[in-house]
Amino acid sequence: DAGVIQSPRHEVTEMGQEVTLRCKPISGHNSLFWYRQTMMRGLELLIYFNNNVPIDDSGMPEDRFSAKMPNASFSTLKIQPSEPRDSAVYFCASSLGDPPVEQFFGPGTRLTVL
Amino acid sequence: KQEVTQIPAALSVPEGENLVLNCSFTDSAIYNLQWFRQDPGKGLTSLLLIQSSQREQTSGRLNASLDKSSGRSTLYIAASQPGDSATYLCAVSRGADGLTFGKGTHLIIQP
Repeated sequence: DAGVIQSPRHEVTEMGQEVTLRCKPISGHNSLFWYRQTMMRGLELLIYFNNNVPIDDSGMPEDRFSAKMPNASFSTLKIQPSEPRDSAVYFCASSLGDPPVEQFFGPGTRLTVL
Repeated sequence: KQEVTQIPAALSVPEGENLVLNCSFTDSAIYNLQWFRQDPGKGLTSLLLIQSSQREQTSGRLNASLDKSSGRSTLYIAASQPGDSATYLCAVSRGADGLTFGKGTHLIIQP
């Protein structure tokens, strides 16, 4: 299995632009998570999907952030408009089971907003 | 709100030493605990998963223990090697939610 796939790996954009991050979970996994990692705050959960349904989005920082999971093999995290404080590494993880057990992480997307 | 603390924040030891990394959590109602390794600029690699009903898990030179009632876990690394240099992260889950992470222990093994 290819593991969790994220794209792009690096994204540099200007303040105010829309940013879309993409994730393909491990085939057969039924839970998907988006996390954000910064030096100041460490790793934080943004949103969690189970069977393509958003279960907990309490970690989404504000309305500028949105996430979708149209099918079991694809999810997006969108930031519109982006701000410099959104600069971070965004990780996607997937897991199997209900409740989910071991989580497997993708390589992350490093976002820089100028 | 669950809080996870890892001590020490950084550790530098000579090659060959056995070492212990500590993790504590404030809410003992966890479903499982997971230890990860993160290399600079890379993603997270899962090392060990301990279910709440388990006391320990072993993988090669790594051994993780869990004392759920006291809110503590330790990661023991035997016979450390320079290739073990990385940041080690501890994370807990209540089950029907995501992971809550500690800030990590930055480990350097001196050749």
